[in-house]
Amino acid sequence: GNSVTQMEGPVTLSEEAFLTINCTYTATGYPSLFWYVQYPGEGLQLLLKATKADDKGSNKGFEATYRKETTSFHLEKGSVQVSDSAVYFCALSVNNAGNMLTFGGGTRLMVKP
Amino acid sequence: GAGVSQSPSNKVTEKGKDVELRCDPISGHTALYWYRQSLGQGLEFLIYFQGNSAPDKSGLPSDRFSAERTGGSVSTLTIQRTQQEDSAVYLCASSLDRVNNEQFFGPGTRLTVL
Repeated sequence: GNSVTQMEGPVTLSEEAFLTINCTYTATGYPSLFWYVQYPGEGLQLLLKATKADDKGSNKGFEATYRKETTSFHLEKGSVQVSDSAVYFCALSVNNAGNMLTFGGGTRLMVKP
Repeated sequence: GAGVSQSPSNKVTEKGKDVELRCDPISGHTALYWYRQSLGQGLEFLIYFQGNSAPDKSGLPSDRFSAERTGGSVSTLTIQRTQQEDSAVYLCASSLDRVNNEQFFGPGTRLTVL
């Protein structure tokens, strides 16, 4: 089956610190990989995605590279801001399986000024 | 344009009652998904509709849960004889089609079963 494992939070950082949130996956088939973000009091939003090996997804200063050899899709940002405080979800979908998303458990990021 | 909308935003019900949750997908999106977000289980898939095809119900946790999609647009998730463990945020998402698979999520319905 499909599964996503991401580091447990909370992750607490000071503003301008470097962020890494680890994500690894197992999949039956060739997955597309996603990072979703949920800001306090808001709904899930797609942050970035990658659909094939070695693709790099990027948005709002966040990046993640699809690593097939290590089955990973780690999220990084060089300099976090207080406004990045949110819960981050790694997810995958497999096209031949209906594209439903399989999510990791979520990682809460808290950025302090 | 309008995003995915869900109603009600909050629902409080008593154990044993039936509830209906509604989802309006983005216009023109043929794929519609229901997920559930709960403290104990995280985010989990419930059911998937694609066009006029039979839905994929593989994520429904019990036969108390059902969903329909009328006219390929609006969807209703029904939970019969609600239990306290059904308390969660129910999320709806839609995508353009099976190939263009970016899913856009609604704000969710928070269900509390007393």
